[in-house]
Amino acid sequence: GAVVSQHPSRVICKSGTSVKIECRSLDFQATTMFWYRQFPKQSLMLMATSNEGSKATYEQGVEKDKFLINHASLTLSTLTVTSAHPEDSSFYICSARQGNEQYFGPGTRLTVT
Amino acid sequence: AQKVTQAQTEISVVEKEDVTLDCVYETRDTTYYLFWYKQPPSGELVFLIRRNSFDEQNEISGRYSWNFQKSTSSFNFTITASQVVDSAVYFCALLNTGNQFYFGTGTSLTVIP
Repeated sequence: GAVVSQHPSRVICKSGTSVKIECRSLDFQATTMFWYRQFPKQSLMLMATSNEGSKATYEQGVEKDKFLINHASLTLSTLTVTSAHPEDSSFYICSARQGNEQYFGPGTRLTVT
Repeated sequence: AQKVTQAQTEISVVEKEDVTLDCVYETRDTTYYLFWYKQPPSGELVFLIRRNSFDEQNEISGRYSWNFQKSTSSFNFTITASQVVDSAVYFCALLNTGNQFYFGTGTSLTVIP
């Protein structure tokens, strides 16, 4: 199947700083990518849908000014957590759509100290 | 509204026992897909199976089998002769016609040697 990568796999940052997470579709072009957040021992929750060349669509309760999403090319979407706080510590997973298939990235574990 | 329910939060079995993980879903879509994913401690989602709403045939893949019953809106997953490597969190998910994933809350399976 198709491969989706995320970088970094783990990141630790200090409270108040910003951190960028990249999601790449390695062998296909993805017009739509999705960002999920998973707190410990909980399910994946969709944060936003990212469409190439247009603004992301955020789910209810997700602050668009805090979680900046950029989908500048057909193979790359980025999620920037701005002014991170300890409560933003979570596992962030992206997925990329190809036709009727969706492929998940390996996830990025963010820890905010 | 779409919803996926995994009533079993945690299950422990002794190695070589069979175990069934339950999944019940709700949707008004006539066309949808159901999935099972395995999430080991590393966090990466491992795709196990995809089933479309028109295909109620049960499926067997090695020690894994799936029972899709549209009449009861269930898509249960059975592991036969469980092994320690099967220990993980298992998620059932529904993909609707809008290409949005809805994940269950997951079942944490521990296989005791």
